[in-house]
Amino acid sequence: QLQLQESGPGLVKPSETLSLTCTVSGGSISSANSYWGWIRQPPGKGLEWIGSIFHSGSTYYNPSLKSRLTISLDTSKNQFSLKLSSVTAADTAVYYCARSIVVIESIDYWGQGTLVTVSS
Amino acid sequence: HSVLTQPPSASGTPGQRVTISCSGSSSNIGSDTVNWFQQLPGTAPKLLIYSNNQRPSGVPDRFSGSNSGTSASLAISGLQSEDEGDYHCAVWDDSLNGWVFGGGTKLTVL
Repeated sequence: QLQLQESGPGLVKPSETLSLTCTVSGGSISSANSYWGWIRQPPGKGLEWIGSIFHSGSTYYNPSLKSRLTISLDTSKNQFSLKLSSVTAADTAVYYCARSIVVIESIDYWGQGTLVTVSS
Repeated sequence: HSVLTQPPSASGTPGQRVTISCSGSSSNIGSDTVNWFQQLPGTAPKLLIYSNNQRPSGVPDRFSGSNSGTSASLAISGLQSEDEGDYHCAVWDDSLNGWVFGGGTKLTVL
């Protein structure tokens, strides 16, 4: 059974960089039929796609976040990571890592989510 | 402001059938398949429907999906109290080259 687990600081100061890691177990992030991504949910609001990364390292980013965003893979640790720079209070949200399946265009596995608060 | 449009709320009594709509455009629902997610209070979203109308293993057949043109719908029949939560539609957008979501619909079982 595939499992994803987010980890990282729960509190980040304004203007600093938010860094999160997703550890994947029960499957390989190098699988050609999968890709990996980050989705966030501000308190009381809907879901927002942040970006995705394929096993090749190719990335797709939400245009509204692209200038501040880096998503990367670490195949040796079966992990992928998110870095979002110059954060503000508007970046406060529950951050989810997730797996997508290419063939059926679906997001089939999600991490439990981690709350990141941006505050001084 | 979400790319896909969902009603903010829906409700029904136990045993009833409810539907939740999701409206998009030619670059998303009109050209790619729709997913629906169930998010129970305090939990992560869970895949409910993929490829417009397919249920993952373990999802009851009370849940069904359909779409037509640039709109999609989720139907829940035989409504149960444990169905109470938020429901989100999502689809890959060919113009954005990324996933787009609806704003979510809060389902209340009266």
